[in-house]
Amino acid sequence: GIQVEQSPPDLILQEGANSTLRCNFSDSVNNLQWFHQNPWGQLINLFYIPSGTKQNGRLSATTVATERYSLLYISSSQTTDSGVYFCAVISGGADGLTFGKGTHLIIQP
Amino acid sequence: SQTIHQWPATLVQPVGSPLSLECTVEGTSNPNLYWYRQAAGRGLQLLFYSVGIGQISSEVPQNLSASRPQDRQFILSSKKLLLSDSGFYLCAWSGQGDTPLHFGNGTRLTVT
Repeated sequence: GIQVEQSPPDLILQEGANSTLRCNFSDSVNNLQWFHQNPWGQLINLFYIPSGTKQNGRLSATTVATERYSLLYISSSQTTDSGVYFCAVISGGADGLTFGKGTHLIIQP
Repeated sequence: SQTIHQWPATLVQPVGSPLSLECTVEGTSNPNLYWYRQAAGRGLQLLFYSVGIGQISSEVPQNLSASRPQDRQFILSSKKLLLSDSGFYLCAWSGQGDTPLHFGNGTRLTVT
């Protein structure tokens, strides 16, 4: 099946800093989503972005499908941005999302 | 708008006891439904997938089963829980075709 690799695995930043999270995948995809898992375990949809660029406030994402990677940008980080960020994809006729292992982000005040 | 409900939020069960977790979706018809499990400190693993009533696909061999008795209801069950069944279980739905998945708030299961 498709492989999804996220980097870095852990990231510690000061409040106000910017960050870039990367997701590499091993095959073409029909679906790519970015999620934020908060400390209570809820998976919050950030972006549905199989290709192109989208922005939502301080967050933006870019997927370059031909080169098989996606980037999540967080600007002016806040402590509430802390948590685990997951990239997940569906490739071909697969039944559901395949998740990466996530990036654990800690924003310090 | 569509919403997904999952309960209970937390559950502590002894080894060997049965399990039933329920998930319902509102505001849409004929959704694709999913059960995922997240072990502590790890990523999410797809357990079951359903495209319609009575249609269940299993992704991994395990001690669990799933059923879809109604269009917008998805149930995760076990006859006898194992310690290794502990984890965070999430239900999700999507529309038809290439559409995003939306997750419920999850059930944290501890088997003692």
